[in-house]
Amino acid sequence: QSVLTQPPSVSAAPGQKVTISCSGSNSNIGNNYVSWYQQLPGTAPKLLIYQNNKRPSGIPDRFSGSKSGTSATLGITGLQTGDEADYYCGTWDNSLSAVFGGGTKLTVL
Amino acid sequence: QVQLQESGPGLVKPSETLSLSCTVSGDSISSGYFWGWIRQPPGKGLEWIASIFQSGTTYYNPSLKSRVTISADTSRNQFSLKVNSVTAADTAVYYCARLIHDTAYSWGQGILVTVSS
Repeated sequence: QSVLTQPPSVSAAPGQKVTISCSGSNSNIGNNYVSWYQQLPGTAPKLLIYQNNKRPSGIPDRFSGSKSGTSATLGITGLQTGDEADYYCGTWDNSLSAVFGGGTKLTVL
Repeated sequence: QVQLQESGPGLVKPSETLSLSCTVSGDSISSGYFWGWIRQPPGKGLEWIASIFQSGTTYYNPSLKSRVTISADTSRNQFSLKVNSVTAADTAVYYCARLIHDTAYSWGQGILVTVSS
């Protein structure tokens, strides 16, 4: 069981928008930055969002992040078939451990 | 551009020690980053294992701390992971990564380690 809670799956049509939630507690999300990772099938994860809402160089602005209280959200607009992947949230926990969500599988219908 | 490459045996027997290395190119492990290991059991999510900072300060997942050691060899620009007393539950793809605190900015391609007799 993961420390951070994500929906197992989400889906939307090409061109649409989707959001993925990540729920935690005051010991992790509530007091630390949140990161988001994209894992395409058969590949290593890639950083999409850091410090709640910042995008590394090369990540399109179709991807956005936000945080409120003990929850965070990843948004993806203008969905493409190439966005089909597993998405993970991550943060630091006050137990002195990095923690991840269980992952959300995005299907672009 | 930093590149990370994991290496080590793909098969380890139960109760033995899993040993992996990560060779870094394009950056020095003595630079101001954390270097760490993250694993992913087949079909499951990500689990952070351990990180080491340039000063040699180490951080461990509390659930694995008793069995895990992370270390660095600056002369080879490598860092390593040892997991003692492995069981089938340690079967996973192991990734090495460059981190700023808990955020993994760069990842290796991963290495599958299977624990089986």
